[in-house]
Amino acid sequence: DAGVTQSPTHLIKTRGQQVTLRCSPKSGHDTVSWYQQALGQGPQFIFQYYEEEERQRGNFPDRFSGHQFPNYSSELNVNALLLGDSALYLCASSFENNEKLFFGSGTQLSVL
Amino acid sequence: LAKTTQPISMDSYEGQEVNITCSHNNIATNDYITWYQQFPSQGPRFIIQGYKTKVTNEVASLFIPADRKSSTLSLPRVSLSDTAVYYCLVGEQMEYGNKLVFGAGTILRVKS
Repeated sequence: DAGVTQSPTHLIKTRGQQVTLRCSPKSGHDTVSWYQQALGQGPQFIFQYYEEEERQRGNFPDRFSGHQFPNYSSELNVNALLLGDSALYLCASSFENNEKLFFGSGTQLSVL
Repeated sequence: LAKTTQPISMDSYEGQEVNITCSHNNIATNDYITWYQQFPSQGPRFIIQGYKTKVTNEVASLFIPADRKSSTLSLPRVSLSDTAVYYCLVGEQMEYGNKLVFGAGTILRVKS
């Protein structure tokens, strides 16, 4: 049983570019959450998707958007990249309202 | 939103019991307390969750006093591989799903 998988593992972009990160949830999970983790800090909640809709959102600008597909996989899109967007982006899946999240290993995004 | 406060770091030696205490003075009635462990370049991993009194699993124990304003994660007989960041979270219960808020966590260093 595969856990949460994220792609790519590493990514380098330049300021102003756009990026798309992908996540496949753990088998049987229907809820996907995205977190941003800057170096030395705890993960910060970006948003959560359930039934293909954004259900909750953290304090992130509209440049951060997402999507969930019918197979529960999800994408995180970031437009107009800033240097400060450099971070580890983590995807976590869960089943409905269960608080036990399963995290992927993340995508390390570097913005130059 | 219940904020959590943990020590920034702790040092221990192999074979010792480690207790990490977390304060959450504003915890709401329906909130659970959850602990995660994170190794470098990996996503956080669920350790244990509780609501009140004591919870024990194969990895750790969680002690929660009656007022629930704090909790203590207990790791028995730590090894070098327990060196990681430990996060205490209080789930923000929303109408649909949960939004977990991570603090900075506690860096545990286990020495030989």
